[in-house]
Amino acid sequence: EPEVTQTPSHQVTQMGQEVILRCVPISNHLYFYWYRQILGQKVEFLVSFYNNEISEKSEIFDDQFSVERPDGSNFTLKIRSTKLEDSAMYFCATHNQGGHTEAFFGQGTRLTVV
Amino acid sequence: GENVEQHPSTLSVQEGDSAVIKCTYSDSASNYFPWYKQELGKRPQLIIDIRSNVGEKKDQRIAVTLNKTAKHFSLHITETQPEDSAVYFCAAVLTGFQKLVFGTGTRLLVSP
Repeated sequence: EPEVTQTPSHQVTQMGQEVILRCVPISNHLYFYWYRQILGQKVEFLVSFYNNEISEKSEIFDDQFSVERPDGSNFTLKIRSTKLEDSAMYFCATHNQGGHTEAFFGQGTRLTVV
Repeated sequence: GENVEQHPSTLSVQEGDSAVIKCTYSDSASNYFPWYKQELGKRPQLIIDIRSNVGEKKDQRIAVTLNKTAKHFSLHITETQPEDSAVYFCAAVLTGFQKLVFGTGTRLLVSP
């Protein structure tokens, strides 16, 4: 069964450093998302991406965050200058027909900012 | 924007009992309502979903009901088993948007 893959599974970084989280979507999927889950809390939407541009972003997704699909396969989330409160599990999710169909989640990247 | 509330936050049942988790949403334009199961440290996994043109959907021991008038939907698990223990999240998708808006989660514990 095809699945969304994310790397790394766990990243520890110092406050102020840049991190890039990577996602390989399912090959025929067109809609890409990043979600965040702080430990013990609900899953929160960060950003959606379709047709090589951001289609929606949340208040969390400020100027420190960016997304891109540099090579037509990987979908990346960059945090320019990490803060302690960025520590969370970050999930990539993809759909093949938009939000009203099943979202396939990657296994997540646990980001720890120290 | 859409807001989804979920109750209860924790639910303990004995094996074989039924479990019911309830969610309410704020925007009547939401039209897709999935339920996810998340085990500790793992990704959310879709267990069942329902669209606004349907009032009820069942898949073996799991069922979901939707009341559009009241703007609430519920997950029903019958004959619970210890492996059903996990955190369950409801979600809603607003027409015209693509993102999932999640509820706050319910920790279900099924005791043998």
